[in-house]
Amino acid sequence: DVKVTQSSRYLVKRTGEKVFLECVQDMDHENMFWYRQDPGLGLRLIYFSYDVKMKEKGDIPEGYSVSREKKERFSLILESASTNQTSMYLCASRYSGTRAEQYFGPGTRLTVT
Amino acid sequence: DQQVKQNSPSLSVQEGRISILNCDYTNSMFDYFLWYKKYPAEGPTFLISISSIKDKNEDGRFTVFLNKSAKHLSLHIVPSQPGDSAVYFCAASDLGSSNTGKLIFGQGTTLQVKP
Repeated sequence: DVKVTQSSRYLVKRTGEKVFLECVQDMDHENMFWYRQDPGLGLRLIYFSYDVKMKEKGDIPEGYSVSREKKERFSLILESASTNQTSMYLCASRYSGTRAEQYFGPGTRLTVT
Repeated sequence: DQQVKQNSPSLSVQEGRISILNCDYTNSMFDYFLWYKKYPAEGPTFLISISSIKDKNEDGRFTVFLNKSAKHLSLHIVPSQPGDSAVYFCAASDLGSSNTGKLIFGQGTTLQVKP
């Protein structure tokens, strides 16, 4: 079974703080993704990485950056947290083959006050 | 520009009956479609998928139908059970052209199955 873990389930941060969200997968997947989920908007892609040190912007990258130094770990960084970044953050991974299934972690509920 | 749309925010059905969740898409390059189920405070769980070369895929109580000419897919759950109550997301990918594995998600439909 694929296991994707995220460093925190719940996080509360203050406006302007730098926030690190970490994601680790144990299946040697090449592709990793960061989404945020907001009511009525579904899941929106922030950034993704198709290999170590490789990254691409998703649909809503503003205010975020990412780091992938090792294959199993993909970090999302909020350089200066703002209240509109309060959301559920979901990490996913995928084997880069002919199937599109992504496997998700449990999510981090981030509140920025 | 919403490429994948789930126009029904919620659906309520009686236990034992059929649940039908719908999804429309606009991009004809999509060649792979998926359904995910999500409980509150958990990550989405992959449910079932279908390639664009097929029009139906079945897995136990779950069947996905794809109508490419209408750019429409649906998920049928028969019989519905109270444990099926969750948010369901459809997603689409253009694996054949990009192979980035990016998924475009719909807004989600909240299914409530009443005992």
